[in-house]
Amino acid sequence: DQQVKQNSPSLSVQEGRISILNCDYTNSMFDYFLWYKKYPAEGPTFLISISSIKDKNEDGRFTVFLNKSAKHLSLHIVPSQPGDSAVYFCAATGAQKLVFGQGTRLTINP
Amino acid sequence: DGGITQSPKYLFRKEGQNVTLSCEQNLNHDAMYWYRQDPGQGLRLIYYSQIVNDFQKGDIAEGYSVSREKKESFPLTVTSAQKNPTAFYLCASSIKGIGYNEQFFGPGTRLTVL
Repeated sequence: DQQVKQNSPSLSVQEGRISILNCDYTNSMFDYFLWYKKYPAEGPTFLISISSIKDKNEDGRFTVFLNKSAKHLSLHIVPSQPGDSAVYFCAATGAQKLVFGQGTRLTINP
Repeated sequence: DGGITQSPKYLFRKEGQNVTLSCEQNLNHDAMYWYRQDPGQGLRLIYYSQIVNDFQKGDIAEGYSVSREKKESFPLTVTSAQKNPTAFYLCASSIKGIGYNEQFFGPGTRLTVL
């Protein structure tokens, strides 16, 4: 039972444009969501999070949007840079363990 | 520098052998976790520990064992009972127990069973 789904295994974006990564969840008990970035052969690093009491959280070039009614969140990266090329995982929790999506590989093309 | 260390980065073992993966943190975090990552899949929780001398099974604990004798250390043993042990193993920690806490990850250990 995949409670957190990232339906796009990969995404390719031109440098300077907007990257939009999507994540859907099924468990209505989830109320805290996180995005992690992962380079090959390294551990994930925390990027940005959002609580269910908000619908948007912004940190520099990164913005996370939460649509509770649709059980959907998205990560926007503007402008996209070559160093953003990585695998991005969304994760969700409802005061229990973190549940991770499968990840989306983002490639930024020059 | 505070952080999480995992050693070794690459590990090769023969089928049927137990192997122990090391995880150490100097962040003074109470909680520690072990995840497994397989190609095309997310991180799956193997075991977690919210306090010294206590740990709980995650989603895929079969064939694994852990101990938490010290706050800083949370070693994972991959036993011969684990049917498909070849994977990338990640250790993480957080200030408090699972929930609304950012988890910090180590660099990972890639285990290959021959």
